Amino acid sequence: QKEVEQNSGPLSVPEGAIASLNCTYSDRGSQSFFWYRQYSGKSPELIMFIYSNGDKEDGRFTAQLNKASQYVSLLIRDSQPSDSATYLCAVRSDMRFGAGTRLTVKP
Amino acid sequence: NAGVTQTPKFQVLKTGQSMTLQCAQDMNHNSMYWYRQDPGMGLRLIYYSASEGTTDKGEVPNGYNVSRLNKREFSLRLESAAPSQTSVYFCASSLRTPTNYGYTFGSGTRLTVV
Repeated sequence: QKEVEQNSGPLSVPEGAIASLNCTYSDRGSQSFFWYRQYSGKSPELIMFIYSNGDKEDGRFTAQLNKASQYVSLLIRDSQPSDSATYLCAVRSDMRFGAGTRLTVKP
Repeated sequence: NAGVTQTPKFQVLKTGQSMTLQCAQDMNHNSMYWYRQDPGMGLRLIYYSASEGTTDKGEVPNGYNVSRLNKREFSLRLESAAPSQTSVYFCASSLRTPTNYGYTFGSGTRLTVV
C-alpha cells in the first residue's frame, strides 16, 4: 500500500525561527508533491507544489524534494503566529495525503 | 469567485438515515473528489471522478455512492448512515487528474451520525 508519512507533531517554534516540516512517501513513481495549510475548522489551501529535485522558494516558504531518499520537506522562515496551522503533504500519483503536522508558532 | 461550493455545512443524522452531500464547482475543472477527514488520520479519498461520466473508488468507498451529475456537480450519498461515518467531508476539484497544480477544496460538511 502506498503511504505518505508525516510526523503528527505538534511542532512548536518561537516567532522568527525556522519551522521544518517533513514528509516521506513510498511510491517511487510519484512525480509531484504538494503542501497544503489547514487552519483549524477550515479547508486545506495549497501553498506549494514541487516536482523537480532540489529547492523551490516562494516568499518565506521553501519546498525541498529528494526523490532518491523519497522525502519532501517544507521550511518556513521567519515563522509568524499566523503560520500556526496543520500542514498536509500530498502526492500527485494517487491523490493520497499525509495525516498532517500541527505547527504552533509562539509569540 | 465561488470556487467549490458544498452543501450543507452541518448535518446531524440518526443511524440508518440517508442523505446526499452536494458539491458544485464553477472553475471548469474536469476532475472532482470526495475526501473525509478524521482526527489524526488526515484526508482519505472516498471517490473521485476524473472526468464527466466517470467515477472511481478511492481508499475508503464502503458505505458511500457518488454521482457525477454534470461537469460542475459531484454528489456523495450515504444510503444508511452509521456512527463510523461521523466526519468532516471535503469536496475538491482540479483541472485534470493527475494534476500538477493541486486541488481546490470546498469549505466542508461536518456530519454527525448518532
